[in-house]
Amino acid sequence: EDKVVQSPLSLVVHEGDTVTLNCSYEVTNFRSLLWYKQEKKAPTFLFMLTSSGIEKKSGRLSSILDKKELSSILNITATQTGDSAIYLCAVGPGGYNKLIFGAGTRLAVHP
Amino acid sequence: ETGVTQSPTHLIKTRGQQVTLRCSSQSGHNTVSWYQQALGQGPQFIFQYYREEENGRGNFPPRFSGLQFPNYSSELNVNALELDDSALYLCASSLGAQETQYFGPGTRLLVL
Repeated sequence: EDKVVQSPLSLVVHEGDTVTLNCSYEVTNFRSLLWYKQEKKAPTFLFMLTSSGIEKKSGRLSSILDKKELSSILNITATQTGDSAIYLCAVGPGGYNKLIFGAGTRLAVHP
Repeated sequence: ETGVTQSPTHLIKTRGQQVTLRCSSQSGHNTVSWYQQALGQGPQFIFQYYREEENGRGNFPPRFSGLQFPNYSSELNVNALELDDSALYLCASSLGAQETQYFGPGTRLLVL
């Protein structure tokens, strides 16, 4: 059975800290791994990683895909209170693009 | 560029009733996927529509059905509502069936 596991489930940090969120997956066919940020309702797209693009960076956020270890990390440096959200990892197993999501990591950044 | 929109934002129904949720895809996108997100969980794939045809389905019973219209907007219908159907229903659109999906704000359904 295809599955995606995220850790930790929740995290509390202070502004300015650096955090690393983890995502591991077991899927029959891998095509892509996506990270989303969910603040209230709509998950907002952050990154997509594939075999041809295993590292992405945008401002204080960066992500790396390790195809050998079947995992990915999302790093956030110099965290701000606006980074408080649920971070979702999803894997697209190929064919039509059904996304398989992990349960998410709930990040709380305190002033 | 218009993003993904969904209606209604909130809905309260009772067990046994039927509900229709609507989604307008992002401009230019021809694929719509529906997900159910229960409290504290990640979204679960319900089904996907590509060019008005169902293009894949998750582990949901037949009382969950859908449509996609020529303008690529979509509906999710749920019959014989159960208490466990209470969740956030998310619609996502993409350009093609294998591209990055962009989500709408969701419809929060409460079944009493």
